[in-house]
Amino acid sequence: DPKIIQKPKYLVAVTGSEKILICEQYLGHNAMYWYRQSAKKPLEFMFSYSYQKLMDNQTASSRFQPQSSKKNHLDLQITALKPDDSATYFCASSQNGASTEVFFGKGTRLTVV
Amino acid sequence: GDQVEQSPSALSLHEGTGSALRCNFTTTMRAVQWFRKNSRGSLINLFYLASGTKENGRLKSAFDSKERYSTLHIRDAQLEDSGTYFCAAEAGYNQGKLIFGQGTKLSIKP
Repeated sequence: DPKIIQKPKYLVAVTGSEKILICEQYLGHNAMYWYRQSAKKPLEFMFSYSYQKLMDNQTASSRFQPQSSKKNHLDLQITALKPDDSATYFCASSQNGASTEVFFGKGTRLTVV
Repeated sequence: GDQVEQSPSALSLHEGTGSALRCNFTTTMRAVQWFRKNSRGSLINLFYLASGTKENGRLKSAFDSKERYSTLHIRDAQLEDSGTYFCAAEAGYNQGKLIFGQGTKLSIKP
């Protein structure tokens, strides 16, 4: 019974298009995150949110925009998609933003053609 | 930037044997987590440590912030232990951000 739900599981997009990756968690956590894993690279931190406020942004491109409509939601909007954006995107959450265990969703594998 | 160096990159064990994985950190880390990525790509939480050691069944982990390393010991390996193991550390100055190691691909042979 997954507690962090990511949708869709797989996504194919055309270069230049826009997609939204969905994430919702049912752990009652206050902090949520996005990570990215490109081919043969370790997971890389992208964003952190705490109580629906942006805490940290390690993504250089403004094409990546998190959206938090509810406390337990943190979607990721990606605009003007490029083939280099192809990766698996993982949503995660923790009770609070610091020194608490982080739990991950199963990821959305994005392929940009 | 801050790095997490994980070794070995791959490890093959026979059932019933054991070994250790290690992560070295280039800076002081606040906490460390260990994960196993299963065949379906899910990240399974194994341990969260802010200091000291923890044990869970056949797995044991240690974290020394001052010496900048963490270890994961596996004993009496079973076939279901196969997968890729990752350590991830939280830097002291950057709350909530995990820095991942490259992973150790563990294969258990009958």
